[in-house]
Amino acid sequence: LAKTTQPISMDSYEGQEVNITCSHNNIATNDYITWYQQFPSQGPRFIIQGYKTKVTNEVASLFIPADRKSSTLSLPRVSLSDTAVYYCLVGPGAAGNKLTFGGGTRVLVKP
Amino acid sequence: DTAVSQTPKYLVTQMGNDKSIKCEQNLGHDTMYWYKQDSKKFLKIMFSYNNKELIINETVPNRFSPKSPDKAHLNLHINSLELGDSAVYFCASSTGTGNTEAFFGQGTRLTVV
Repeated sequence: LAKTTQPISMDSYEGQEVNITCSHNNIATNDYITWYQQFPSQGPRFIIQGYKTKVTNEVASLFIPADRKSSTLSLPRVSLSDTAVYYCLVGPGAAGNKLTFGGGTRVLVKP
Repeated sequence: DTAVSQTPKYLVTQMGNDKSIKCEQNLGHDTMYWYKQDSKKFLKIMFSYNNKELIINETVPNRFSPKSPDKAHLNLHINSLELGDSAVYFCASSTGTGNTEAFFGQGTRLTVV
């Protein structure tokens, strides 16, 4: 499975846009890129998933360049409640695949 | 309604004891997982079941034995608990087909003393 590298932590302020970049140099052809969010004392929660180019939903945007060796999760206008750990995952979108979580990025949103 | 529920939420026990954690999902998913999150927040997969059959076993000690009575349940039994087993254990489920979106339970914080 492709290994992912992302920053350990990031600080931001309310109302700002937060961009978290994840590197996955050995991503395979059939791999998807998925991001999860985890609040303290809770299980991870799915945010967004993409294969290439750009994906947007009501929570975030995911930008994936043509070579797919990295991806950027963009959180628009963050609030204090967006303080959490964000995990980047890369894996095949096939039955029975396992999810491999890296260390995650701890995002702290300040007032 | 809780999609993936685990019990208990907290578990404190002595070394050498045997304990079980239960997990149930009401999403109709075919695949269920057990993950272990250590003190450094790394989340590692332990087991994965698809339609009650074991498909992933990630170098977990034999003291850990998952059991899936039906595809909505995946329980985790741990024998002879050790201090290093202290962690948060998460159950999750997914459709297992076409995407990797998984739904996680709230976690069970196991403390071995």
